[in-house]
Parts: sequence; structure tokens; C-alpha cells
Amino acid sequence: NAGVTQTPKFRVLKTGQSMTLLCAQDMNHEYMYWYRQDPGMGLRLIHYSVGEGTTAKGEVPDGYNVSRLKKQNFLLGLESAAPSQTSVYFCASSYSVLAGDEQFFGPGTRLTVL
Amino acid sequence: AQKVTQAQTEISVVEKEDVTLDCVYETRDTTYYLFWYKQPPSGELVFLIRRNSFDEQNEISGRYSWNFQKSTSSFNFTITASQVVDSAVYFCALSDRGSTLGRLYFGRGTQLTVWP
Repeated sequence: NAGVTQTPKFRVLKTGQSMTLLCAQDMNHEYMYWYRQDPGMGLRLIHYSVGEGTTAKGEVPDGYNVSRLKKQNFLLGLESAAPSQTSVYFCASSYSVLAGDEQFFGPGTRLTVL
Repeated sequence: AQKVTQAQTEISVVEKEDVTLDCVYETRDTTYYLFWYKQPPSGELVFLIRRNSFDEQNEISGRYSWNFQKSTSSFNFTITASQVVDSAVYFCALSDRGSTLGRLYFGRGTQLTVWP
């Protein structure tokens, strides 16, 4: 079991470039989440998904798009990267919707936008 | 609205000292869950503990212990006889029935540095 994996681990972009972050989980979880972590801010929810083909906005969705074409994958896209999107991005998944179900986190992707 | 406050931004201790990390939460729900995660310098998030709002028993796991007090809306984390390997950022988080599909509300984290 690999758990939750994220690719790439590091990336440097120039302002205006686009990229896609990939999250994959092998635990057959329905629910997946993208968070961003900024210094002194904790983790904030960007987008989430309740199942294949469904996505919804979280707390800080602007500038990002997501897709969940396959149950095991959750993609986070930046169409036109901005320096404010420099952050560490974490993907997470959970088995059910019940509050309190443990979320399993990926190792993170460190993104720098110049 | 849900909120988690970790007032201590940074704490430094010398090895073998005990240290307590504070966490204060806000929620209107009567059913909720509290979590602690550890983020070592390598960057991954390591799950430490989950407690639900109906279980106020304190918990001890080795050198780690947690004190949950609903009366003060606090869920504090104590490391006894700290070690250098305990150096990390520690996050407290909250999830309740009003949360977006089990999403976690995180505090801003406390950077713990344990000096040899």
C-alpha cells in the first residue's frame, strides 16, 4: 500500500505558466482534498471531491481548478501561476464523510512561483 | 464558525524538559473531533491522535499525553522528557458535523525546537 502519493515533489514555475499537481490514493477512498500550507497559516482547504466526477470549492479556491476523472486520482491545476501561489500543497483522502474519520495525507508538493 | 487557535508560535526547550503545546478551539456543534498532527523537518504530516467530544478522558501514549477540557475548549498536548527528534511543527485541528465533508480546520501550528 502506497497510501497517498503526490507528484511532483518540487516545482519552480514562472509567473503565468501552468501546471498540474497529481494526487493518487490506493485505499479506495471516496473523499479527497487539496490543502495549501503557508508559513504561519496552518493548512487551508482549496478544493475537495466527494467521488469520481464531482468536485467543490473549499476555503481558498481562486486561481485553482480540479478534476476527479478517476476515483483514485485528484488533480489540482494552476492555469496561470502567480507568486501568491507559492506554497506547499498537500493532498488528503478519507474513507467516509463522517466527521472524525482520519484523513490520510500525501507527502506534499513544494511549489515556487517566480 | 469553526476556529482553532495555537497561541504559541515557537517554543524552545532543552532535551529532557517537559513541554506543553496549547490548543483552543471554537465550534457550535456538540459533536466534534480534535486532532494533533506532527510535521517534522522532512515535511510530511504525521497523525498523532484523534479525540471525540464525548470522551474527555486524558490519553497517554509513551511520552505523549493529551488533556481535553470541554469547559475551557482546550485540547493541550504534553511531551514528557523531550528529545531532539521531537523537534517539529505541531498542528491542532478540528472537524465537526458542520465541516465540509469532514474537512479539517487547522491551527497555525507551533514550532517546537528541542536542543541537545
